[in-house]
Amino acid sequence: EAQVTQNPRYLITVTGKKLTVTCSQNMNHEYMSWYRQDPGLGLRQIYYSMNVEVTDKGDVPEGYKVSRKEKRNFPLILESPSPNQTSLYFCASSLFLSGEQYFGPGTRLTVT
Amino acid sequence: TQLLEQSPQFLSIQEGENLTVYCNSSSVFSSLQWYRQEPGEGPVLLVTVVTGGEVKKLKRLTFQFGDARKDSSLHITAAQPGDTGLYLCAGSSVGGTSYGKLTFGQGTILTVHP
Repeated sequence: EAQVTQNPRYLITVTGKKLTVTCSQNMNHEYMSWYRQDPGLGLRQIYYSMNVEVTDKGDVPEGYKVSRKEKRNFPLILESPSPNQTSLYFCASSLFLSGEQYFGPGTRLTVT
Repeated sequence: TQLLEQSPQFLSIQEGENLTVYCNSSSVFSSLQWYRQEPGEGPVLLVTVVTGGEVKKLKRLTFQFGDARKDSSLHITAAQPGDTGLYLCAGSSVGGTSYGKLTFGQGTILTVHP
């Protein structure tokens, strides 16, 4: 089954404690993206990747890091989380940059 | 960054009613996508419109892309409780440094009461 998986689905952490949210896709897609979803703001792109070792900033990259060492995986790293990063995060993959986005189930992060 | 304004933000209607959701921008998009998201899940693509003036139908849902490719609408006929969810539009930028990137609207939360 074609899918995008994310882990964990829920995470509560404290300010400053480094965390990683994993993302994996089995569709051999070139493009992968991370979005955050906040009420009234829709989905905002954090980072995206066009292929292995090629990443670029989205609209809200501050406070986040990503890496793309393998085509299927695209982890999101928060080196020093802050409360304003409390949000619902989605990983997505696509054949083209602006093509149909296949989203993961989401990770709800709370930073206290 | 190109902006997409969706309206209304919230829509609460009775089963059987018709509704329209709008997605507007001052910028031109090469294509526009509509997604539906249910609680606890990621958005799922409903349709992509590419040509100005294009109309696509998906059962009781009708999607239209504006002639100038700056706006789009989603019309639902005889809404059912199963249509409840968050509807998102997303436009693909036509040029500049944002070429090919997707911009999402804020979303419309639709609740259809039995």
